[in-house]
Amino acid sequence: GAVVSQHPSWVICKSGTSVKIECRSLDFQATTMFWYRQFPKQSLMLMATSNEGSKATYEQGVEKDKFLINHASLTLSTLTVTSAHPEDSSFYICSARPSTSYGYTFGSGTRLTVV
Amino acid sequence: GQQLNQSPQSMFIQEGEDVSMNCTSSSIFNTWLWYKQDPGEGPVLLIALYKAGELTSNGRLTAQFGITRKDSFLNISASIPSDVGIYFCAGQYYSGGGADGLTFGKGTHLIIQP
Repeated sequence: GAVVSQHPSWVICKSGTSVKIECRSLDFQATTMFWYRQFPKQSLMLMATSNEGSKATYEQGVEKDKFLINHASLTLSTLTVTSAHPEDSSFYICSARPSTSYGYTFGSGTRLTVV
Repeated sequence: GQQLNQSPQSMFIQEGEDVSMNCTSSSIFNTWLWYKQDPGEGPVLLIALYKAGELTSNGRLTAQFGITRKDSFLNISASIPSDVGIYFCAGQYYSGGGADGLTFGKGTHLIIQP
């Protein structure tokens, strides 16, 4: 149980375009999901907390207008990277926690490359 | 903000050896978690610790939640080739509004020489 599916697993886009990443909890409902970013050979950094039915909360230094988060249902959160630039190239990972567990389950990540 | 210091940064060991890594924090956490990440994948939960002083095992893995709630260690006994990967500690703090996202250590890269 407790599976989080993330799509796409990788994407290449042109500079200036927007990219949407989906995060789904497959076998549980999640009122809260989290989005992380991981640069090569570095740790995961929390970007934002996605709240079902309300606005996301962003960590300090993360531009909310650039990283749009929508959590329209209890099983789906989306992260849209708007007007992408090469410096946005990174590994984006979402996570969620079933109400029956303290441990967070992570998606398999999305490798974004902006050219 | 909260920071986790994880050490060592990397380990080169022989197959069969025991491994030990630890994390310390400048502030307390309510939960400590240990994850393993393979290249191009998301982290996979190994052990979750919920109480200060708690010692928990998962097969060859053993982890402890420090009494001060500011540190944790992970031990791997009798390492095998599939243990290769990057291990992350993560702490979670429960604020008044609910659980916060995880704060991760910088990772320990485990390399096993046959």
